[in-house]
Formats: sequence, structure tokens, C-alpha cells
Amino acid sequence: QVQLQESGPGLVKPSETLSLTCFVSGGSISNYYWSWSRQPPGKGLEWIGSVYHSGGSENPALKSRVTLSVDTSKNQVSLRLTSVTAADTAVYYCARFHFRENKYYYYMDVWGKGTTVTVSS
Amino acid sequence: QPALTQPASVSGSPGQSITISCTGTSGDIGAYNLVSWYQQHPGKAPKVMLYDVSNRPSGVSNRFSGSKSGYTASLTISGLQPEDEADYYCNSYTTSNTYVFGTGTKVTVL
Repeated sequence: QVQLQESGPGLVKPSETLSLTCFVSGGSISNYYWSWSRQPPGKGLEWIGSVYHSGGSENPALKSRVTLSVDTSKNQVSLRLTSVTAADTAVYYCARFHFRENKYYYYMDVWGKGTTVTVSS
Repeated sequence: QPALTQPASVSGSPGQSITISCTGTSGDIGAYNLVSWYQQHPGKAPKVMLYDVSNRPSGVSNRFSGSKSGYTASLTISGLQPEDEADYYCNSYTTSNTYVFGTGTKVTVL
């Protein structure tokens, strides 16, 4: 059974770069699309972006600050967010898009438990 | 891209049916039948309940159903149960090759 585990620094200073990883266990990272979403305290979900080994897409509001990547050798997906501010304080989730019988689906079927990131000096 | 619009809260008594709406635009909900719905209990990760507007993943109760008309998708929970109390988010693929979540709806079982 595939499991996702997000990890990263719990605290990041304003203007610095946030780096998170999502380790995938119990299955291959290949052939899947992966996504990052976040949820500020007490607020709703926000889609950050999706990534495949050959590219992806990002939320237009975050595109200039976001880099997503897939490392098949380490079976992990990474998120990099530059120039963070307090508004980036949130729980960050990694998720997998469903893929079955050589067909890609447009929904996330496996989620990590999330990792909390606080932006503060 | 603005978030899809959902009612902030919906409530119902056990056994009743409730419906949550999710309104978008011609660039998202109106463009494709690629709307999914997620349930989120406090402190937990989201869980997919419906995909492609009305399809249920394996293991999801048939009390959950979905539909779409124009720019609005809907999630209906029939035979409301206490464990259905949670936040619900819709999500849609867009014509810009991105995704957008709804604003979220808190479901309360009275």
C-alpha cells in the first residue's frame, strides 16, 4: 500500500526559501503525477502545483516562486517555495494522482498526512 | 484563478439528505466533467469521495453522489450519518492545465 510522508523544516524565516520533500513508500513514483496543496490555519485547501517526471503545472498565483520536481532514484517529490512570507504558513500536503490501466485520472487518491510550516522570524 | 464557490456551511439531521453546491466558470467546471470532491475531518488529510463528477472510488459509500449542470457541480449525501460531519471541498481541472479547489463547506450533523 502506497504511503506518502512529507518532511521539511517546521519553521522558516521570512524571505527565505522553503524546501519540502514527499517520500513515497510501498510503490513506484514513476508513471504518476504528483501534487502539492496547502491549507493555512483555519482556512481552505489551495492547490500549489502538479508534477510529472517530465514537467508539470503550477498555481498561477504561486508560479513565480514555486519549483516542483520528481527524483525517481530517491522515490521522492520535492517542493521549493522562494521568498516566503507569513501568508505561506500552512499545512502542506503531498498527493498522488490516480493512474490505472494506462489511463491518467484527474483526482488525487493518496495523500500524505501533511507537514506544518510556520513562517516567522 | 479564483477558488470555486461553495456554501460555508450545510447542516442536516441523521438520516436526511443534504446537497453541497460548487460553482465555477466556463474555464473550469463548465469546461470538463473533471470535478472531484474531498472530505476532510479535523486534523486529517483530505480523502477523495467522488471523481469525474459522479464516480465513487472503491470503498466510498453509495450514500455519496454527484452531479453537474452548467458551471455548478453538486455533492449529495443521503442518509446523513454522524461520521459525515466534516469539511468538504470540490476540485476541478481547468482549461489552463491547472487545478482549483472550492472554498470548502462545513457539514454539521444535528
